[in-house]
Amino acid sequence: DAGVIQSPRHEVTEMGQEVTLRCKPISGHDYLFWYRQTMMRGLELLIYFNNNVPIDDSGMPEDRFSAKMPNASFSTLKIQPSEPRDSAVYFCASSMLPGLAGGPVFSAYNEQFFGPGTRLTVL
Amino acid sequence: DAKTTQPPSMDCAEGRAANLPCNHSTISGNEYVYWYRQIHSQGPQYIIHGLKNNETNEMASLIITEDRKSSTLILPHATLRDTAVYYCIVREGTTDSWGKLQFGAGTQVVVTP
Repeated sequence: DAGVIQSPRHEVTEMGQEVTLRCKPISGHDYLFWYRQTMMRGLELLIYFNNNVPIDDSGMPEDRFSAKMPNASFSTLKIQPSEPRDSAVYFCASSMLPGLAGGPVFSAYNEQFFGPGTRLTVL
Repeated sequence: DAKTTQPPSMDCAEGRAANLPCNHSTISGNEYVYWYRQIHSQGPQYIIHGLKNNETNEMASLIITEDRKSSTLILPHATLRDTAVYYCIVREGTTDSWGKLQFGAGTQVVVTP
């Protein structure tokens, strides 16, 4: 498997422009996560989906951010309009349904697989 | 989820065991301890997790104290490729909150020749 695929790997844009980040999760995974990483705030969970349905978007910073998952193999994170403070590395991750709590450690059922990230610079 | 405390940095000699401590004194009964690492410019990578028993896999061992208030990640034979930021995360094992991993500052581990 190719792992989680993100595009583009690097994006440079000007303030006010719309930015769309893309993610293809690992085939067969039920969950998809979007994270943002900055030096100041570290790694933050923005939103996650289960079976294409958004479960928790409490980490989405404001209305300028939106995420969609139209099907099991594709998700987008859109910023409109973009601002310099949105500059960060954005990671997408996917995982399978977890094993039963207290049961054996099945790493394939509990771990999140991260993509290589998209480095966004907003000038 | 319970809060974790880790040292900001530590050094380790190549070939020696690296012991990474994590304090989670407010952990509750249904919370798991997870470890991830992030090599520079890459996405985080899962290492191991456990509830109360010690766990071992091909990457590392996880030792959890009997009272579960602290744990230690052990890299048995550190290599230069193990240089990374290591995150200790505590999270509930229920499906309602299962998805949320809260990453702290982690421990920057530098393995030296």
